Amino acid sequence: QVTLRESGPALVKPTQTLTLTCTFSGFSLSTSRVCVTWIRQPPGKALEWLARIDWDDDKYYSTSLKTRLTISKDTSKNQVVLTMTNMDPVDTATYYCTREEILNSGWYPFDYWGQGALVTVSS
Amino acid sequence: EIVLTQSPGTLSLSPGERATLSCRASQSVSSSYLAWYQQKPGQAPRLLIFGASSRATGIPDRFSGSGSGTDFTLTISRLEPEDFAVYYCQQYGRTPRTFGQGTKVEI
Repeated sequence: QVTLRESGPALVKPTQTLTLTCTFSGFSLSTSRVCVTWIRQPPGKALEWLARIDWDDDKYYSTSLKTRLTISKDTSKNQVVLTMTNMDPVDTATYYCTREEILNSGWYPFDYWGQGALVTVSS
Repeated sequence: EIVLTQSPGTLSLSPGERATLSCRASQSVSSSYLAWYQQKPGQAPRLLIFGASSRATGIPDRFSGSGSGTDFTLTISRLEPEDFAVYYCQQYGRTPRTFGQGTKVEI
């Protein structure tokens, strides 16, 4: 059974760095053609793709946010960590981690999601 | 990056009616790597359709997807009360992945 769970601070101050952890089970990032992605959603707004890390440690970032984002994985702990620097109130959102994989037939999109972590940026 | 534009923004319908949602891409979506998600308040999105027209596991057959290239459609043949939600299209043919802005299906 695949599960993902986000954890991190619910409140951060402007200019601080946000660190979020995605802890997953039911798959491995070391042996499968699997990727873990971070997506966020401001209150009442659309989904925004942030970053992805692949089983082979390739990393990809949002064009508009790439200078502020870092994604990494700890395969032994089944965790993926996202850091976002210089937080601003406009970064207030629910942050989700999700899984994508490559099957024999090609890419398969986000089938499993965490429940989301609401992060508020306020002084 | 590929920009996805969904229309309409809001669809006001009644249970039993047919819903037709549109998603247009700024560039051709390779290999029809187009997905649809349903999101209800306070919940994570749920995958409905992948590959433009294939239903994900456990999705009722009243949900269907069609299209290719730059124009895609999600159809809900007969709306059930639990179908009133926000629907997003998403392309996964290129990185960065991108989402549409969503269509709200309301009563």
